[in-house]
Amino acid sequence: GAGVSQSPRYKVAKRGQDVALRCDPISGHVSLFWYQQALGQGPEFLTYFQNEAQLDKSGLPSDRFFAERPEGSVSTLKIQRTQQEDSAVYLCASSVSGIEQFFGPGTRLTVL
Amino acid sequence: GQQLNQSPQSMFIQEGEDVSMNCTSSSIFNTWLWYKQEPGEGPVLLIALYKAGELTSNGRLTAQFGITRKDSFLNISASIPSDVGIYFCAGQGLDSNYQLIWGAGTKLIIKP
Repeated sequence: GAGVSQSPRYKVAKRGQDVALRCDPISGHVSLFWYQQALGQGPEFLTYFQNEAQLDKSGLPSDRFFAERPEGSVSTLKIQRTQQEDSAVYLCASSVSGIEQFFGPGTRLTVL
Repeated sequence: GQQLNQSPQSMFIQEGEDVSMNCTSSSIFNTWLWYKQEPGEGPVLLIALYKAGELTSNGRLTAQFGITRKDSFLNISASIPSDVGIYFCAGQGLDSNYQLIWGAGTKLIIKP
């Protein structure tokens, strides 16, 4: 079966631009997570959805970051007015249990 | 807050050697997970551990959930070139049923 997919795989943005990153989770997975991964580091939690409900957004670094999952399937992570420090790999993961999380390939965002 | 200490940071090994790495936590975990990440890809789940003392294998990989519930070990036997990558431990603490705490990773490099 299909795994988690993310698009685009690479995104280059000029500072100040808005970007939208898409995640297609594994079909039937209730839980969905967004992580930010800096080079040489482990993933850092951003936000968590259970179906369409965003139950935890404590990891979002600023109010420029916004995530949604309106129909409980596909999710979008939006970053407004991008800054250079937003450059990172953004990983999406989905899960049935919430614990065993299955990751997509990530979107590498570079802000110039 | 909870922290994970993963060691070693990197390992240079000869093909055919056995590999050991570990993670320790400042507090008790309910679940330990081991992931492998290759360049340009998301982490891939290798082994999940749910009970203190549990020993689980996945091919040449063996992981154990420490008796104190504050540590976990991953061993790789008879390493091969495709074992190269970054191995992450992740743990689920007592205060969350979904959020994972991640180690910084162990980078495995095969000597030519």
